[in-house]
Amino acid sequence: GQQLNQSPQSMFIQEGEDVSMNCTSSSIFNTWLWYKQEPGEGPVLLIALYKAGELTSNGRLTAQFGITRKDSFLNISASIPSDVGIYFCAGPDSGGSNYKLTFGKGTLLTVNP
Amino acid sequence: NAGVMQNPRHLVRRRGQEARLRCSPMKGHSHVYWYRQLPEEGLKFMVYLQKENIIDESGMPKERFSAEFPKEGPSILRIQQVVRGDSAAYFCASSPQQGWETQYFGPGTRLLVL
Repeated sequence: GQQLNQSPQSMFIQEGEDVSMNCTSSSIFNTWLWYKQEPGEGPVLLIALYKAGELTSNGRLTAQFGITRKDSFLNISASIPSDVGIYFCAGPDSGGSNYKLTFGKGTLLTVNP
Repeated sequence: NAGVMQNPRHLVRRRGQEARLRCSPMKGHSHVYWYRQLPEEGLKFMVYLQKENIIDESGMPKERFSAEFPKEGPSILRIQQVVRGDSAAYFCASSPQQGWETQYFGPGTRLLVL
């Protein structure tokens, strides 16, 4: 099946720093999604990307859909302590369903105040 | 409007016991999806149900696992004769129509098998 590889696995940064993480796949995705999971909670959708090359922002978050359609990047500017959590990339499964999501293993972000 | 609710939030079972996980979808949502998150892994799709029907159970182990979404009441994921490898976080999501765009996730049930 499809696999999404995220890097880095974890990041430990100081408040105020910018953060960059990425997600790659061996197969093409037509939609890229970024979720955040806070400790003890379920994932929450942050950004959805639909077109190769697309750059989309949501507050301090910016995500890009790679031109090859095999990668995506998420940047967080001026990090704050509440940015702590696990960030997952995801995409609709290649099997043709419009409901089944494939998730990466996540990037764990820790922000030191 | 309450979000997706799951209970219990934490469940401890001994090997061989049964685990019952409940998911109450958001009001107006008739589609429920169950995902499993093993330690340090991403979420993996298990099963998709629409009121009283199983639409897709391709991600659910063939043995010991079953799911239902009755006409009245929450969706239930049932794991019989649990083993240590069943220890994971189980999330359900709900949506008003089929599709990933409107899936909202619950807080999950953390199952620990001793």
